[in-house]
Amino acid sequence: GAVVSQHPSRVICKSGTSVKIECRSLDFQATTMFWYRQFPKQSLMLMATSNEGSKATYEQGVEKDKFLINHASLTLSTLTVTSAHPEDSSFYICSARFQGPRIEAFFGQGTRLTVV
Amino acid sequence: AQSVTQPDIHITVSEGASLELRCNYSYGATPYLFWYVQSPGQGLQLLLKYFSGDTLVQGIKGFEAEFKRSQSSFNLRKPSVHWSDAAEYFCAVGAVNSGYALNFGKGTSLLVTP
Repeated sequence: GAVVSQHPSRVICKSGTSVKIECRSLDFQATTMFWYRQFPKQSLMLMATSNEGSKATYEQGVEKDKFLINHASLTLSTLTVTSAHPEDSSFYICSARFQGPRIEAFFGQGTRLTVV
Repeated sequence: AQSVTQPDIHITVSEGASLELRCNYSYGATPYLFWYVQSPGQGLQLLLKYFSGDTLVQGIKGFEAEFKRSQSSFNLRKPSVHWSDAAEYFCAVGAVNSGYALNFGKGTSLLVTP
């Protein structure tokens, strides 16, 4: 149980286009989903926290108009990188937390975004 | 401010030798502690976690970690390292007051020599 599926695993897009990444909790309902970004050979940094049915909370320095997060249901959150540029190339990974008091969140497999 | 420190950027050990990876944290609230491993180009795999109770935690692949509140540490150990353990290791901390989002250390890169 507690499987989080992230799609796509890899994507290459042209500069100026938008890319959507999906994060699905397959066998549980996720009240909260988190989006992280990892630059090459660096650690994971929290980008935003999304709660189902409400606006995402972005970390300082993360452009909310560039990284659009939608959490329309208890099993799906999406991250859209708008007008992508080469500096947005990174590894994006989501995690989903159970509805209720359970503490642990479960990670998707990550998405490698390359903007050319 | 909340922080997670992994003092060692790189560690090299011989296969069969013991391993200890250090993690220190600074958190105002009760921390929830995790160790993850990441192979190149891959996602995260959870090795072990500590929420409460017994301070010595057993994980997968023969890893264990000990929570020491007085030292604000959660060091990862393995008695005998295998070549397949070579990877990047991340310590992560979460808390109620951060909505359980994880704050990751910068990672320790483990190299295993024959």
